[in-house]
Amino acid sequence: KAGVTQTPRYLIKTRGQQVTLSCSPISGHRSVSWYQQTPGQGLQFLFEYFSETQRNKGNFPGRFSGRQFSNSRSEMNVSTLELGDSALYLCASSLEQIPYEQYFGPGTRLTVT
Amino acid sequence: SQQGEEDPQALSIQEGENATMNCSYKTSINNLQWYRQNSGRGLVHLILIRSNEREKHSGRLRVTLDTSKKSSSLLITASRAADTASYFCATTLTGGGNKLTFGTGTQLKVEL
Repeated sequence: KAGVTQTPRYLIKTRGQQVTLSCSPISGHRSVSWYQQTPGQGLQFLFEYFSETQRNKGNFPGRFSGRQFSNSRSEMNVSTLELGDSALYLCASSLEQIPYEQYFGPGTRLTVT
Repeated sequence: SQQGEEDPQALSIQEGENATMNCSYKTSINNLQWYRQNSGRGLVHLILIRSNEREKHSGRLRVTLDTSKKSSSLLITASRAADTASYFCATTLTGGGNKLTFGTGTQLKVEL
């Protein structure tokens, strides 16, 4: 099976712009989660979607949003980018609704200038 | 915010030696997982231990869980240069879905 894919892999944006990141989970996986990784804050949970419904949300401002499509593919959007949004954004997919091992994609490296 | 701390923050050993990393967490958990990350890339799942388990093995990996002390340890035996990476523990909570709360991570360097 193909692994979790994320596009784009690298992105450079300017403050104030918005960005959309995409994640395709492993075939058959219905849970998709997003994480932000920065040197200062480490790995932090953004949100989880299961069968097109947001099931969990982390402690991030409303500028961060996401959605999941019927084929389980997911997108996350960040509006009005700030310098502090520069990070590695990781997507993970999982087979079941119960807590289960997760499979991570390679990440999207976002740089905000 | 992070669930807990990992100790040590960095560890440097020779190939063939064992590496032990510790993880502490703050709240009751559903399960605890260990992940490996190479140079800022995606995370790779290593092992999952449920809250009612005390020890689990997978190849050269051994994980223990002490829920009374809210701590876990990861032992990598006979380390190889390819084990050089950052290692993270992550917990899930009952009713928390698949949300992972990560520790701060241990940077392991295995030298030839």
